[in-house]
Amino acid sequence: EAQVTQNPRYLITVTGKKLTVTCSQNMNHEYMSWYRQDPGLGLRQIYYSMNVEVTDKGDVPEGYKVSRKEKRNFPLILESPSPNQTSLYFCASSSLGGGVNTEAFFGQGTRLTVV
Amino acid sequence: AQKVTQAQTEISVVEKEDVTLDCVYETRDTTYYLFWYKQPPSGELVFLIRRNSFDEQNEISGRYSWNFQKSTSSFNFTITASQVVDSAVYFCALSGRGTYKYIFGTGTRLKVLA
Repeated sequence: EAQVTQNPRYLITVTGKKLTVTCSQNMNHEYMSWYRQDPGLGLRQIYYSMNVEVTDKGDVPEGYKVSRKEKRNFPLILESPSPNQTSLYFCASSSLGGGVNTEAFFGQGTRLTVV
Repeated sequence: AQKVTQAQTEISVVEKEDVTLDCVYETRDTTYYLFWYKQPPSGELVFLIRRNSFDEQNEISGRYSWNFQKSTSSFNFTITASQVVDSAVYFCALSGRGTYKYIFGTGTRLKVLA
């Protein structure tokens, strides 16, 4: 089954304690990205990756890091989380088959609370 | 710059009513893609439809239909005979060809009352 898997689904942490949210896809997609969803703001892109070892900032990258060492994995790292990073996070993957943008496939989301 | 506007923050309807969710977009690209996603209370994002900029045919899938009009830069979504299970947040999104970037609207929360 084609899917994007995020872990954990729920996480409560304290300010300043480093954390990693994992994301893995099994569709051999080149493109992966992270979004955060906040009330009234929709989904905003944090970082994206066009392929292995190729990453770039999205619209709200401050306070986040990513890496793309393997095609299937795209972890999101919060080195020193702060309460304003409390949000619902989604990982997504997609492909550019034949020059046509496919739909983005989303993980189930990670609800992060930073206290 | 690309932008997606969903002016309706929340809509409430009574079951079996028809409801239309509006989506207006801005882009300078000549080739682009439009999407609708559903986010039920469980939180996941469910893909509903993709439409490319060269295909202005309306699409119908069961009780769902989509009206794409380039002249007004709109991609509206209609649910016919709404059901309680349609209650969700619906997002419209835009992607330029080859950009890999998806621009989302702020979403419309639909409440269908029994």
